[in-house]
This record gives sequence, C-alpha cells and structure tokens, in this order.
Amino acid sequence: SAVISQKPSRDICQRGTSLTIQCQVDSQVTMMFWYRQQPGQSLTLIATANQGSEATYESGFVIDKFPISRPNLTFSTLTVSNMSPEDSSIYLCSTVFGQENTGELFFGEGSRLTVL
Amino acid sequence: LAKTTQPISMDSYEGQEVNITCSHNNIATNDYITWYQQFPSQGPRFIIQGYKTKVTNEVASLFIPADRKSSTLSLPRVSLSDTAVYYCLVGASGGYQKVTFGTGTKLQVIP
Repeated sequence: SAVISQKPSRDICQRGTSLTIQCQVDSQVTMMFWYRQQPGQSLTLIATANQGSEATYESGFVIDKFPISRPNLTFSTLTVSNMSPEDSSIYLCSTVFGQENTGELFFGEGSRLTVL
Repeated sequence: LAKTTQPISMDSYEGQEVNITCSHNNIATNDYITWYQQFPSQGPRFIIQGYKTKVTNEVASLFIPADRKSSTLSLPRVSLSDTAVYYCLVGASGGYQKVTFGTGTKLQVIP
C-alpha cells in the first residue's frame, strides 16, 4: 500500500494566478496520476506523470495549463496556471500498487482549490 | 475503454443490505472489475475487485455473472458511515492501462 500526502489541502486563489500542488508518496512508485474532481462530479484524469520524461495528458488537458513535474519516483507536482473560477475543483494525486491488471489505486486526500 | 453505467443515487435504511449494480457491456477479456468508495473531502479508496463469480471480503461482496457484462456490489447491513459515493471501474486499476471513473452511485443511508 501507499501513503500519499498532498499540499496544500486547500487554498483560495485569485483569478489569473498560478498554484502548484505537491504530491509525496512514501515509497517509490512507477505510475503517478493527477485527477480533477469538479464540484459534485466524478473524477477526470488529467495526466500521467512520467519520471524522467514529459507527462502524458488526456484529451482536453494541455501542458501549458497544467504543467507537471516528476523529478523522482516518490514526488510529483501539478501546477494550475492562469486560474479562472472554472478551475475551482479538487485535484487528486494517485498511484497504483499491484499487478498489471489488478493493481489498486491509492489516492491522496486531495487539494481543494477555490478561484475567486 | 469499457464504459460503466450505474444508478446516480440510492437511499437505504440502516441495517439493510444494499446492492449497487454496474453495467459494463464492453468489458474486455482481461479486464477486472473494481469498486471504490469516496467520502466527502477524501480521495476514493479501494473496496473490492473481482474477475468472475463471487468475491467477498470484510466489507463487501462482489457478484459477477458468467457473461461479465454487469456486476453487483453488495454491502451487508449498512450503517450511516456507509453514506458515500461508490464507483465501479473496469480495466486495470489505473496502473498500466487507463481507467475511467463513471458517474458513481451516491448512497445515502437513512437512520
């Protein structure tokens, strides 16, 4: 299993600013993911954070808006750039442990961003 | 990616058994079925996983018919603390294949 810590847990941000969310895993992991959960909605995968290479973004998400770093096997950051009120969401970091087909996803507690 | 369909919401009284069904008509041969639970202000957490027939653990049972086109999560004797959103996922649990979270089922347990 894994313990995943995210910082900040919540923040209130001004329109046009950027915020970086940190994700720390207590052991080395191959895969790290970033999800967004808008109010009252399900989770949407933003990107897969790859160690040593650029992140792989899902449709509708771009690197300029959501730059991601993965400097090592235990840490990743997600930046939400040039924020607007539509970016108000919970951002969740996750990783997986287990076999290729049966791995279990572990999530951090999430970072709740409110953009004014 | 196999798409899943679940009821949007369900209500249940305390002490009752709750069954939440998920449809996944396009499930692939090597896909597993995994259920997650999410409480407000928390990330989802793993409940149970199965491939076929029945799986049981300390918190739930998972029933999967032979055609695997649906699955049913069974929560025995729910309590107020089981009020949460329950997600059915099909595929690898995000590790080496993409998975998609569906709408989930919001379970409200009533005293």
